[in-house]
Amino acid sequence: QVQLQESGPGLVKPSETLSLTCAVSGYSISNGYYWGWVRQPPGKGLEWIGSIYHSGITYYNPSLKSRVTILVDTSKNQFSLKLSSVTAADTAIYYCARVSGSQGFQHWGQGALVTVSS
Amino acid sequence: EIVLTQSPGTLSLSPGERATLSCRASQSVSSSYLAWYQQKPGQAPRLLIYGASSRATGIPDRFSGSGSGTDFTLTINRLEPEDFAVYYCQQYGSSPYTFGQGTKLEIK
Repeated sequence: QVQLQESGPGLVKPSETLSLTCAVSGYSISNGYYWGWVRQPPGKGLEWIGSIYHSGITYYNPSLKSRVTILVDTSKNQFSLKLSSVTAADTAIYYCARVSGSQGFQHWGQGALVTVSS
Repeated sequence: EIVLTQSPGTLSLSPGERATLSCRASQSVSSSYLAWYQQKPGQAPRLLIYGASSRATGIPDRFSGSGSGTDFTLTINRLEPEDFAVYYCQQYGSSPYTFGQGTKLEIK
């Protein structure tokens, strides 16, 4: 079955760039679907960050667009998130997910807590 | 941006009862691209319902979704102890995809 696993530093300093990778197993990214990132500040709700198609086409949340880059690496079957100029407000659990255009966010990673602090 | 408002914020019920959760959109949701997710503490969200009324793979039939346009409902019949969690609605018909603020279903 499809499995996703986030990885990356759990602590990032203010003004620096947050970087996370999502490794996908059980399905080849090259075969289709969108692949997305969602975050959740501790104790709060969910926020969509952006999505990428296997071809590299991206869609970003306008609220974060100026700071977000999502890339896909089909050779490693993974995709990544970069969020620049982070502040404490970016502290959250970051989830990666497989996204179906008709069925929503079907499969999720377990999440990675990223804390922004000096 | 489509704003989703969920009600109630918290719902207190007993096992065996029926839960009715509401999600109202600030504008019509395209092609009923409305999903419901369940989230338990320390876990990722799990897709329950997509397309407003279709159950995702492996979801028990006590979960059902309905609605169109701007008003949507998640109904959970015969609540089981494992159903007590936070539920989110989400529209994925137009970018940016947005989530409701969540409804916490707690044991009475």
